[in-house]
Amino acid sequence: QQPVQSPQAVILREGEDAVINCSSSKALYSVHWYRQKHGEAPVFLMILLKGGEQKGHDKISASFNEKKQQSSLYLTASQLSYSGTYFCGTEMWGGYQKVTFGIGTKLQVIP
Amino acid sequence: DTGVSQDPRHKITKRGQNVTFRCDPISEHNRLYWYRQTLGQGPEFLTYFQNEAQLEKSRLLSDRFSAERPKGSFSTLEIQRTEQGDSAMYLCASSLPGTERMNTEAFFGQGTRLTVV
Repeated sequence: QQPVQSPQAVILREGEDAVINCSSSKALYSVHWYRQKHGEAPVFLMILLKGGEQKGHDKISASFNEKKQQSSLYLTASQLSYSGTYFCGTEMWGGYQKVTFGIGTKLQVIP
Repeated sequence: DTGVSQDPRHKITKRGQNVTFRCDPISEHNRLYWYRQTLGQGPEFLTYFQNEAQLEKSRLLSDRFSAERPKGSFSTLEIQRTEQGDSAMYLCASSLPGTERMNTEAFFGQGTRLTVV
């Protein structure tokens, strides 16, 4: 069951904030966030395992609401290097760590 | 270790031919995944190994696709009788073993871009 991401695309000016949402119709064990730049492999950002868990790395953080089967990725004070496509991946209970990715959110940060 | 490596990086083949891709995971990673990615889409799960055991295979995969990981190290993905719809980027990823309470990040290779003409 592919998670649904929104928005599909967003353009930001440097320094602006953005939120990317990810939702699933199935009960989730974990949510994974990756960023992929054009022509490159996806790069890991973070994994969230518990309901209500929040994690952060530099100015990128995420929350996971297990009860609502939703996760949000927060990008604060965006930098040009944040440009890329962000994928959320979801793992169902008993899913053998099989991660199903959404279609991605294309983020472009402009000067 | 320099990460997950895939070979070849690009492959152009005629429809009907067989192709084989190789993935070398990070050495201590016992989990290995194959994904397929087409333009504008996220990586689509194909199959997953834990050591040499293939634990899951996507129902989307036809019988033309087969993957092996004979000694729990490198893996190969073979596509027989290729079709134009097989054109995509084939990504390999590996990860450390997780536990019931802890999942671990997957490291992706640069992928093999397949073009079927």
